[in-house]
Amino acid sequence: DGGITQSPKYLFRKEGQNVTLSCEQNLNHDAMYWYRQDPGQGLRLIYYSQIVNDFQKGDIAEGYSVSREKKESFPLTVTSAQKNPTAFYLCATYPVGGGYNEQFFGPGTRLTVL
Amino acid sequence: AQRVTQPEKLLSVFKGAPVELKCNYSYSGSPELFWYVQYSRQRLQLLLRHISRESIKGFTADLNKGETSFHLKKPFAQEEDSAMYYCALRGGGNQFYFGTGTSLTVIP
Repeated sequence: DGGITQSPKYLFRKEGQNVTLSCEQNLNHDAMYWYRQDPGQGLRLIYYSQIVNDFQKGDIAEGYSVSREKKESFPLTVTSAQKNPTAFYLCATYPVGGGYNEQFFGPGTRLTVL
Repeated sequence: AQRVTQPEKLLSVFKGAPVELKCNYSYSGSPELFWYVQYSRQRLQLLLRHISRESIKGFTADLNKGETSFHLKKPFAQEEDSAMYYCALRGGGNQFYFGTGTSLTVIP
């Protein structure tokens, strides 16, 4: 599976600490997304970016921050303000333009707050 | 507002039986709809999209604009179909909306 890599696969954090999840892609896709996946709640959008140096909040952006300094990279920081950060985090990309395309997903990072 | 609803969280069928996973959507424009599948320990991947009108792994899905539905169907379920299935809608601004998912278990 190449294309989209997320690291680390598992991450443990103490309460009160910020942590950054990595997402890198070599698909040359313009748009990148961060989702949170919780049992019974599906995928909920945290942030997305359609172009370098620009991003928009999703439905559950509170307690999270992102940056998009390079097309290939879209790191997500989970801050101490996020009240329930333990979850599975998915990064996705989308090739803007060019017809009916789908999103492509990374393997995910499981974050556990101790 | 855009919304995707999957009413069944869990669905169990016997091997060889027909299976239908329901998906309803709410969208004011012309929808682009997708079914994604997540097998155990694998990443989320596209199963099929409505615009292609294709059959993948025996699954089909027809867009019914009158009923605002995009149900996923397979006439004969196989054990390897056991997975989590998500219905998704692409809205304006290249934002995607996902349902809460249906966990399908095919009983041998």
